[in-house]
Amino acid sequence: GAGVSQSPSNKVTEKGKDVELRCDPISGHTALYWYRQSLGQGLEFLIYFQGNSAPDKSGLPSDRFSAERTGGSVSTLTIQRTQQEDSAVYLCASGSSGSSYEQYFGPGTRLTVT
Amino acid sequence: DQQVKQNSPSLSVQEGRISILNCDYTNSMFDYFLWYKKYPAEGPTFLISISSIKDKNEDGRFTVFLNKSAKHLSLHIVPSQPGDSAVYFCAAGPPGGTSYGKLTFGQGTILTVHP
Repeated sequence: GAGVSQSPSNKVTEKGKDVELRCDPISGHTALYWYRQSLGQGLEFLIYFQGNSAPDKSGLPSDRFSAERTGGSVSTLTIQRTQQEDSAVYLCASGSSGSSYEQYFGPGTRLTVT
Repeated sequence: DQQVKQNSPSLSVQEGRISILNCDYTNSMFDYFLWYKKYPAEGPTFLISISSIKDKNEDGRFTVFLNKSAKHLSLHIVPSQPGDSAVYFCAAGPPGGTSYGKLTFGQGTILTVHP
């Protein structure tokens, strides 16, 4: 596909369960970002991957959150022991290089923790 | 600590008139500013950007103004069209380095353009 894709588009899970969110960036993009948008809030930076460099994890809210990027392409954001405050839209974006601010977003995954 | 603020949660404008969306920031280290537009159930799409060394950037109907001394930027849309109705986010990026891509977003402003 031409754009960033994310799956699933919607996820409802029970409190305490683990979830995995997937992001397929634009082919050839070396930079990949995860953000989340809680209700009525702006986008909150979570983590940033650039090529083979160590990721910038400074935005991850707790150690229940982790992300990996395999083969420099697909990324998975994992939330362990989900809490109700984790409910949000999780957005993935990719960019052509670490020297560009322009990021191309996927449609997001809406996570609801009940 | 909200480093990027959009103090107007919504704006309503008549078709053909000018829309002015405002954004304030607190961190003087921000080096680059962007505006994104978001439709429901879609991810944000890049609209226009400006480097901190400039005070204006224009692209068709969209112009972004940057006032560094006031730590304020604005997006002007002229003329406004009903298809411009969306949520607009301003974002700011740090100087180059390991966190080059880390953008800080405002809360967004819902723009409604009435026919």
